[in-house]
Amino acid sequence: GAVVSQHPSWVICKSGTSVKIECRSLDFQATTMFWYRQFPKQSLMLMATSNEGSKATYEQGVEKDKFLINHASLTLSTLTVTSAHPEDSSFYICSASAPGGGNTGELFFGEGSRLTVL
Amino acid sequence: DAKTTQPPSMDCAEGRAANLPCNHSTISGNEYVYWYRQIHSQGPQYIIHGLKNNETNEMASLIITEDRKSSTLILPHATLRDTAVYYCIVRGNNNDMRFGAGTRLTVKP
Repeated sequence: GAVVSQHPSWVICKSGTSVKIECRSLDFQATTMFWYRQFPKQSLMLMATSNEGSKATYEQGVEKDKFLINHASLTLSTLTVTSAHPEDSSFYICSASAPGGGNTGELFFGEGSRLTVL
Repeated sequence: DAKTTQPPSMDCAEGRAANLPCNHSTISGNEYVYWYRQIHSQGPQYIIHGLKNNETNEMASLIITEDRKSSTLILPHATLRDTAVYYCIVRGNNNDMRFGAGTRLTVKP
């Protein structure tokens, strides 16, 4: 089946620095990718929808200037956490929809990236 | 907001069928029901999805009521590796998936 890969799988950074997380669709072109955040013992929370070649659509309460999303190609979307703080420590997960699937196709999830901000 | 309601936790004996219920009483006619599961610290894994007919694949069966207001995911012979959080999701036309709290299934020997 289709594969979505995230990198890095885990990262530790100092408070105030920026961290970039990559999400790649390895064997299909993804016109739409989604970014989620998951805190311990909680469910996944949708942060934003990323469409190739256009600006991301952010969910209410998610700061777009803090969580920069770029979807420059059909196989790559990046999430940059700017000026990270300890409260940004979380498990970040991306997903990608295969083209033409609409709401009937499978949404493929990456393995997740665990961010720890010291 | 998630459009589904699931019990927070369930137990199942190894080798027995696990039946996980989900209520989605506000589902619209063109919205699909998806099931994913998440094992600790991993990304969600796709299980099955359906619109109104019952579905079966190598992992599970999905039973959707005639009025589509609820569904049940059936794992026919649960194993210890099926211990996970199971999410029932209603997916709309805008293609996104919003997760509810899910059901934590524990398969016991």
